[in-house]
Amino acid sequence: DQQVKQNSPSLSVQEGRISILNCDYTNSMFDYFLWYKKYPAEGPTFLISISSIKDKNEDGRFTVFLNKSAKHLSLHIVPSQPGDSAVYFCAASALETSGSRLTFGEGTQLTVNP
Amino acid sequence: NAGVMQNPRHLVRRRGQEARLRCSPMKGHSHVYWYRQLPEEGLKFMVYLQKENIIDESGMPKERFSAEFPKEGPSILRIQQVVRGDSAAYFCASKDGRQRNSPLHFGNGTRLTVT
Repeated sequence: DQQVKQNSPSLSVQEGRISILNCDYTNSMFDYFLWYKKYPAEGPTFLISISSIKDKNEDGRFTVFLNKSAKHLSLHIVPSQPGDSAVYFCAASALETSGSRLTFGEGTQLTVNP
Repeated sequence: NAGVMQNPRHLVRRRGQEARLRCSPMKGHSHVYWYRQLPEEGLKFMVYLQKENIIDESGMPKERFSAEFPKEGPSILRIQQVVRGDSAAYFCASKDGRQRNSPLHFGNGTRLTVT
C-alpha cells in the first residue's frame, strides 16, 4: 500500500529554469509533509517542510505547495542549478502514528543541465 | 548529515553470517529511526526507538532482525543469518523528540552486501 507516490521517476530541466516535482498521497491523516534531497552514497538531507495548516512555504529558491483537497504537494525550485541534480523524496507523517514516523515516496531523479 | 553517525559505511557478509549496524544520533536527540532502501526503491520504515525502548517495530521483518538503543552507546540494528535479499542501504535517522513537527536527520547509511 503505497501511501505516498511520486509518479515521475525522473525530470530533466535546463539551468536557470524552474523545476517542479510532484507528490500525491492517499492517507488523509497525514498532516506534516517534507522534501528531502539525496545524493548518491549519502543519506537524505532535509530541504523544506509544510504543515497541513498552510498551503505554501518558501525558503530561498525552494517553495513547497500543499493542496489538501487534491492530496497533492509539489516542490518548486527556481532558478534550478546543476548542483540541484539529485534524487528528491517526498515524505509525510500523521499525528496518530507513533513518533510521527515518515512515509516516503519512491523518489524523483532531477537532472539540471548546464 | 554530519550529525548522525553510522558505521560501518560498507559491510560485506556471506549468507548465514550476522550483520551489526551502528548508529549514533545527533547530540541531544533521543528518538532514533531505522529505514531500509532496496535498489531502485524509496526508503521503508523499519523501527522507531527511544532510549532502552522499542516504540514501533511494525516495519521490521518478523524473523532475524532486531534493534536496540541502550542507555549508553549507539543504536544497533542486528540481522542474523543474512540472506541475499537483505542487501540494501540501511539508514538511521534521529530527531529532537520535544517537537512533534520536526524533520528527521539522516546518517549516510550502511551499505550491506550479502554474497
